[in-house]
Amino acid sequence: GAVVSQHPSRVICKSGTSVKIECRSLDFQATTMFWYRQFPKQSLMLMATSNEGSKATYEQGVEKDKFLINHASLTLSTLTVTSAHPEDSSFYICSAWDRVNTQYFGPGTRLTVL
Amino acid sequence: AQTVTQSQPEMSVQEAETVTLSCTYDTSENNYYLFWYKQPPSRQMILVIRQEAYKQQNATENRFSVNFQKAAKSFSLKISDSQLGDTAMYFCAFILTTDSWGKLQFGAGTQVVVTP
Repeated sequence: GAVVSQHPSRVICKSGTSVKIECRSLDFQATTMFWYRQFPKQSLMLMATSNEGSKATYEQGVEKDKFLINHASLTLSTLTVTSAHPEDSSFYICSAWDRVNTQYFGPGTRLTVL
Repeated sequence: AQTVTQSQPEMSVQEAETVTLSCTYDTSENNYYLFWYKQPPSRQMILVIRQEAYKQQNATENRFSVNFQKAAKSFSLKISDSQLGDTAMYFCAFILTTDSWGKLQFGAGTQVVVTP
């Protein structure tokens, strides 16, 4: 079946540095991908919609200059957390819909900012 | 705006028993899909079951079945013959079909613990 991958699965970085997270659809093309953030024991919070070939759409309250999204191809979207701070530590999950309207989620990336 | 409510933060069930998770939603639209997702300790989101709002028949997937009450805007999940591997967080989710398969609206989740 369709698979969405994320890389890296875990990352630890120092405060002030930038971190890039990749999301790939492995056997289907996705013109739209989604980025979620999840805090421990909480639900998924949609951060932004990544659109291939155009600008991402951010949810209210999400800083677009802080969370840069690039969707350069039909199988790859990247989320860059710029100038990361400890409060950005979280679990980030991407997802994509296939052509039969099934949404697949990546395995997630655990970001820890020291 | 659409909202999804899961009022049970945690449910405990013994192996082989049945547990029912509740979910209610609020929308003024008529065309939508509802989902139950499972998130085990690995944190990988897994689709359990989905229901098209236009279908009256309740969806089933092996030991998982739903009770979809459109008028009451209720979408409960029943897990039969519970297994230890069913231990996970379960999220109810909603999407409008007019959203071009865009944003899922999630409930707060219900932690299910299956005990031996």
